[in-house]
Amino acid sequence: EPEVTQTPSHQVTQMGQEVILRCVPISNHLYFYWYRQILGQKVEFLVSFYNNEISEKSEIFDDQFSVERPDGSNFTLKIRSTKLEDSAMYFCASSIGPGRLYNEQFFGPGTRLTVL
Amino acid sequence: AQTVTQSQPEMSVQEAETVTLSCTYDTSESNYYLFWYKQPPSRQMILVIRQEAYKQQNATENRFSVNFQKAAKSFSLKISDSQLGDTAMYFCAWYNNNDMRFGAGTRLTVKP
Repeated sequence: EPEVTQTPSHQVTQMGQEVILRCVPISNHLYFYWYRQILGQKVEFLVSFYNNEISEKSEIFDDQFSVERPDGSNFTLKIRSTKLEDSAMYFCASSIGPGRLYNEQFFGPGTRLTVL
Repeated sequence: AQTVTQSQPEMSVQEAETVTLSCTYDTSESNYYLFWYKQPPSRQMILVIRQEAYKQQNATENRFSVNFQKAAKSFSLKISDSQLGDTAMYFCAWYNNNDMRFGAGTRLTVKP
């Protein structure tokens, strides 16, 4: 069964450093998403991406964040200058899309980001 | 703004019994979807059940069913014949137009 994969499973970085979290969505999916979950808190939507551009983003997704689909398979989330409060689990998801109607989002296993 | 509220931070149930997790939401949209996701200790989010707001019939997936009350903006999850493997965090979520909002979650423990 196809699945969303994410690498690395755990990333440790120093405050102020740039990190790139990687995701490989399911191959025939067209919509891609990033969510984050601070330990013990709710899952929060960050951004959705379709046709090589951001389609929706939340208030959390500020100028420190960017997303990219650099090739036909990867979908990345970059945090330019990490802060302590960026420590969280980051989930990638993809759906077959597009449009307003829901298509099931399949979640990856997550990347745990720890900022020291 | 859309909000999703889960008022039960933790619940427990005996194996083989039935438990209901509550969820309420606030939205001005007329068409949307509602979901229950399960997050076991492995932390991967797994879709349990979904409900389309324009459908009056409550969704059912094996031991999982929902009680969807659109006017009351309520969406509860009933788990019948609870199993030890149901132990997990359960998140209620609202979705419309690529915007998904999650509740704070309910930690469910199934006791043997």
